[in-house]
Amino acid sequence: QKEVEQNSGPLSVPEGAIASLNCTYSDRGSQSFFWYRQYSGKSPELIMSIYSNGDKEDGRFTAQLNKASQYVSLLIRDSQPSDSATYLCAVDGGSQGNLIFGKGTKLSVKP
Amino acid sequence: GAVVSQHPSWVICKSGTSVKIECRSLDFQATTMFWYRQFPKQSLMLMATSNEGSKATYEQGVEKDKFLINHASLTLSTLTVTSAHPEDSSFYICSARERTSGSYEQFFGPGTRLTVL
Repeated sequence: QKEVEQNSGPLSVPEGAIASLNCTYSDRGSQSFFWYRQYSGKSPELIMSIYSNGDKEDGRFTAQLNKASQYVSLLIRDSQPSDSATYLCAVDGGSQGNLIFGKGTKLSVKP
Repeated sequence: GAVVSQHPSWVICKSGTSVKIECRSLDFQATTMFWYRQFPKQSLMLMATSNEGSKATYEQGVEKDKFLINHASLTLSTLTVTSAHPEDSSFYICSARERTSGSYEQFFGPGTRLTVL
């Protein structure tokens, strides 16, 4: 059973701080990694994808991938209250071409 | 780009009735569409995977006769909840993969909130 693990949180950070979200995955053959953001009562929204080892930056978001350690992370710089949401890590490898999702980490950014 | 719509956004029905939810990819052709269910404060649960022109593949524990999925075109998939009961009340979300991209990226619709009385 392929798995994606995330700390459920809640992770609480003050406004302006860096939020660090972590994810580990079980399938060493996985090649595609995604971070989704889900606000309460809404559907998930894709915010980052990463395919190669190293860092990928997009605005205030940086995704980091370490395939040797089977570890993916998402850094959010200058966190804002509007970043408060649940962040889902997803990895390819489902038997139907689907993504395997972690249970999500709830982030709370305090003003 | 990569917009997925769902209709209706919410529905309230009586126990025993059937409800159809539509999922459309508006600006791309979707090889594959996925249907999820999410109960309050719980994680996404994949119900089934549908490919255009073929039968859906259901996850273990999901009743195929209760949750009918039709993927008639590259831009439309429907989920019908048959003989709905209060325990079927949930947030149903579809997602789609783009046909030509070769990527595993999934784009989600806004979801349909079903309440069965």
